[in-house]
Amino acid sequence: EDQVTQSPEALRLQEGESSSLNCSYTVSGLRGLFWYRQDPGKGPEFLFTLYSAGEEKEKERLKATLTKKESFLHITAPKPEDSATYLCAVQASGGSGNTGKLIFGQGTTLQVKP
Amino acid sequence: DADVTQTPRNRITKTGKRIMLECSQTKGHDRMYWYRQDPGLGLRLIYYSFDVKDINKGEISDGYSVSRQAQAKFSLSLESAIPNQTALYFCATSDLGGIGYTFGSGTRLTVV
Repeated sequence: EDQVTQSPEALRLQEGESSSLNCSYTVSGLRGLFWYRQDPGKGPEFLFTLYSAGEEKEKERLKATLTKKESFLHITAPKPEDSATYLCAVQASGGSGNTGKLIFGQGTTLQVKP
Repeated sequence: DADVTQTPRNRITKTGKRIMLECSQTKGHDRMYWYRQDPGLGLRLIYYSFDVKDINKGEISDGYSVSRQAQAKFSLSLESAIPNQTALYFCATSDLGGIGYTFGSGTRLTVV
């Protein structure tokens, strides 16, 4: 069964304190791994798509990496405005991949204090 | 205007009532989805549609139905609402490859 697990569930950081969020996945053929940011009362906002092990992508203070079993979202010198819930999702190749269906983890809620 | 618009934003309804959540998009995408979000469970797929004539059940379709009135409109109905359908509901669209996802802002539904 395709599955995504994120850890930790919640993370509190001081401004400037770098850290990483983990997304472990099991999927019958990975078509793509996605990271989203979700602010309270809003829909998920796209951050990154990773397609193959070894791939890395960066955007401002965020960097996403991918291995065959997990992905990390590294946050360097975070600011209070980085506070949000970060969602990881995978899309499987093969049958379910044709639907465009995303399988989501439960999310990591990040709070960055000034 | 938002690319994906959901109405209403918030709704409180009583057990047993029928309720419809509406979604419209200006992305020009053929694929549309309804997801449900519950605390600690992430987002789960209710229904998805490839075009007006192609509608499919997701992993948690029981108690829900959908209607694709046009390429740009995809509605979700709860035929007889029950309290455990209290959740945040999201509509989303994607391109043909299923990669370029855009989510609406969500509808917070409370069934009392």
